[in-house]
Amino acid sequence: AQSVTQLGSHVSVSEGALVLLRCNYSSSVPPYLFWYVQYPNQGLQLLLKYTSAATLVKGINGFEAEFKKSETSFHLTKPSAHMSDAAEYFCAVSDPANDYKLSFGAGTTVTVRA
Amino acid sequence: EAQVTQNPRYLITVTGKKLTVTCSQNMNHEYMSWYRQDPGLGLRQIYYSMNVEVTDKGDVPEGYKVSRKEKRNFPLILESPSPNQTSLYFCASRRRQGGIGYTFGSGTRLTVV
Repeated sequence: AQSVTQLGSHVSVSEGALVLLRCNYSSSVPPYLFWYVQYPNQGLQLLLKYTSAATLVKGINGFEAEFKKSETSFHLTKPSAHMSDAAEYFCAVSDPANDYKLSFGAGTTVTVRA
Repeated sequence: EAQVTQNPRYLITVTGKKLTVTCSQNMNHEYMSWYRQDPGLGLRQIYYSMNVEVTDKGDVPEGYKVSRKEKRNFPLILESPSPNQTSLYFCASRRRQGGIGYTFGSGTRLTVV
C-alpha cells in the first residue's frame, strides 16, 4: 500500500524567501508522485508530477520537486515566495499498476508574510 | 472550458434525509473518483469508477453509494446521512493513461445536523 507523510501542517515564510514543503512516501513499488495546491474555497490544482522520468520535476508557478529514492522523499520547493503562494499543499502517491487510487498526505498550509 | 462540475456547492441537511451530490465532467475521461476532505486527514477516497458501470470502493465507502450510468456523470448518494459525514467533498476525473493527475471539481461542503 502507498502512503505519504507531510512534515509540518503549517509553514510560514517571508515574501521572497525559500519555500520548502516536505513529503516522504512509503511504497512497495516505484511510485507516481504528485503535488497539488488548494487555494481558499477552491478545488485542487495539479502543481507537478513525477512518473519515473527526470527526478527533478518543474511545475507551474515556479515550483519544483526532486524525487530522491534513497530518502523516499519528494520535497516541494520554490526559490522566492510570493503572497499568491498562500494556500494548502498536498502531496499524493499512487501505484503505477493501480493508479486510479491516489493517496494524499494531510496537507501543509503555507502562510506568506509581507 | 474543460472542467468537473459539482452541485450543490453548499448543503445543509438533517440526519437521515437522503441526498445526492451530482458530478459531471466534459472531458470524456474514463476514470472518476469521489474524495472527502477533513482537517488533519487530507483527502480520502470514497469510491472510484474506471468506466461506465464499473465502480469500486475506496478507503472510506461506508454510508455512501455511487453509480456510473453515463461516462460524464458520477453522482454520490448518501441514503441516510449522519453528522460524521459532515465534510468537504470533491469529485475528480482523469483519462485512463497512466501517470495523469486528476482534475478536481470545486467541492461540495456538506453539513449534516
